[in-house]
Amino acid sequence: QSVLTQPPSASGTPGQRVTISCSGSSSNIGSNYVYWYQQLPGTAPKLLIYRNNQRPSGVPDRFSGSKSGTSASLAISGLRSEDEADYYCAGWDDSLSGKVFGGGTKLTVL
Amino acid sequence: QITLKESGPTLVKPTQTLTLTCTFSGFSLSTSGVGVGWIRQPPGKALEWLALIYWDDDKRYSPSLRSRLSITKDTSKNQVVLTMTNLDPVDTATYYCAHRRVDYSGSYGFDYWGQGTLVTVSS
Repeated sequence: QSVLTQPPSASGTPGQRVTISCSGSSSNIGSNYVYWYQQLPGTAPKLLIYRNNQRPSGVPDRFSGSKSGTSASLAISGLRSEDEADYYCAGWDDSLSGKVFGGGTKLTVL
Repeated sequence: QITLKESGPTLVKPTQTLTLTCTFSGFSLSTSGVGVGWIRQPPGKALEWLALIYWDDDKRYSPSLRSRLSITKDTSKNQVVLTMTNLDPVDTATYYCAHRRVDYSGSYGFDYWGQGTLVTVSS
């Protein structure tokens, strides 16, 4: 059972906009930054969003992050087949004094 | 450019101790704000954070695994070592090390990752 809750799966067709949610609590998302990682099949995770809504250099602006209260979302617009991957939200939890990850969402591009 | 690579045994027996080494280049663990973390992923499952060490030797551990983990750094060798004791088959996972940078405002996330190393715990 992950501290951060994500839907196990999401899907969309090419060109669509999809969102992936991440639900937490006041001790993690509610009081700290949220991060998003993309993990393509058989590869190491890649940082997609940091500090709620910042994109590292090289990440397309099709990817965007937002946060409200104890929840966060990752939005992917103009969906492409290469976006098919597992997506993880993450953050720091003050109560646990540790980094926590969500359970991951498998995105399928139909 | 920043690169990290994990190394260690691929097969460990139950109750044994696992020692993993993260060898990195492109940054120094003596630079203010820099850290290296360990994250693992059991086959087909989610990511799990294990430990962090910073440039000032500040160390953080997963609360659920704290009693079994130890993280150290060797700045001169550009290496970070993670030790996990009393291994169990449930510890079978791909273990990743990753670069992290922080400032007064917080973390920039794990922005560079190693390729990971699969460790199987079995007798």
